[in-house]
Amino acid sequence: GENVEQHPSTLSVQEGDSAVIKCTYSDSASNYFPWYKQELGKGPQLIIDIRSNVGEKKDQRIAVTLNKTAKHFSLHITETQPEDSAVYFCAASNMYSGGGADGLTFGKGTHLIIQP
Amino acid sequence: EAQVTQNPRYLITVTGKKLTVTCSQNMNHEYMSWYRQDPGLGLRQIYYSMNVEVTDKGDVPEGYKVSRKEKRNFPLILESPSPNQTSLYFCASSFQDGYEQYFGPGTRLTVT
Repeated sequence: GENVEQHPSTLSVQEGDSAVIKCTYSDSASNYFPWYKQELGKGPQLIIDIRSNVGEKKDQRIAVTLNKTAKHFSLHITETQPEDSAVYFCAASNMYSGGGADGLTFGKGTHLIIQP
Repeated sequence: EAQVTQNPRYLITVTGKKLTVTCSQNMNHEYMSWYRQDPGLGLRQIYYSMNVEVTDKGDVPEGYKVSRKEKRNFPLILESPSPNQTSLYFCASSFQDGYEQYFGPGTRLTVT
């Protein structure tokens, strides 16, 4: 089965700086890579995702990059703000072209702390 | 509003006393799942359901039961809770397996 490794487990950055969280996956068939943000006291929520036919995707201050050859993908947050403080999870799955998919496999999470 | 609801949000119980955590979604999703979240271990899947009357074990199913009699509901049952089941539990649903998952607000369970 798929195995997703996520690093670091805790990341502390100064407000305004950039943050990068990295994940590696083991199954070369995986083609869908979402990122979830979990704020304190809430369930995880999808913030951005990328499919294997693209190498990068941006949405305002967040971006995700994918290197299929190396089997790793990363979340980049620029100009960090206090509200970015949360736990972030990466995940991977294989979505079939005819519909359906293998289940999402999650990384263990990164606790991002934005220092004022 | 599209959402996944869980009840109760907080529960303190004693070893061996059967309990049920309810989960309901209003998005007509086929796929539903239960996870537990523990420090340093991330999200671990307990059970999942591909559709009504179709359930299967996840990574950590021991000590848990589920049922899917209706599309919208997916209760988690602990027949004889033990202290090692103290955890934060999340229900999630999605259109199909592998697609974006919508998570409930979580249920914090303490077993003494």
